[in-house]
Amino acid sequence: DVKVTQSSRYLVKRTGEKVFLECVQDMDHENMFWYRQDPGLGLRLIYFSYDVKMKEKGDIPEGYSVSREKKERFSLILESASTNQTSMYLCASSPITGTGNGELFFGEGSRLTVL
Amino acid sequence: AQSVTQPDIHITVSEGASLELRCNYSYGATPYLFWYVQSPGQGLQLLLKYFSGDTLVQGIKGFEAEFKRSQSSFNLRKPSVHWSDAAEYFCAVGARGFQKLVFGTGTRLLVSP
Repeated sequence: DVKVTQSSRYLVKRTGEKVFLECVQDMDHENMFWYRQDPGLGLRLIYFSYDVKMKEKGDIPEGYSVSREKKERFSLILESASTNQTSMYLCASSPITGTGNGELFFGEGSRLTVL
Repeated sequence: AQSVTQPDIHITVSEGASLELRCNYSYGATPYLFWYVQSPGQGLQLLLKYFSGDTLVQGIKGFEAEFKRSQSSFNLRKPSVHWSDAAEYFCAVGARGFQKLVFGTGTRLLVSP
């Protein structure tokens, strides 16, 4: 069964802490994404990566960075967590355009609370 | 750039009744269209997708959706709702040749006994 696995389902951090959210996919997909989900706002794209060591900003990249050192792993980094980053974070992957036609495969999400 | 509107934030349907969730998109060419479902505390699961061809698309769990180019719509339907269908539903649009999907704000479905 193919999967996207997010390492932490629930995290509680303090303001100013550095936070790492890890995501691993076993489908050999080229593309990986980080979305943020907030009530009434739907899913908003933070960053995505279409290849190892490549990244592109999404719609709300401020306050975040990403790392993709291996094809299967995509990490989201909050350099200095703030309370307005309390949210549900969803990782997704997809094969290259033309093979999967944009369909995303999602992990179960990481709910981050920043105190 | 593409965009998606889901005009209904909440919908309540009686168990056994029919369901239609609305989705309107904005995109200059023929888009890729998706419906995803999210159960509480879970990630998103694909219900169905439209790329080309037949404009009536069948998905999992008895759902279907119809692509109407003239109305820029891709509404989700189910003839008879089950209590287990209570969840949040997201419509998404993708552009041919691009990697990203743009999501609507979601519609939360409540099912009453």
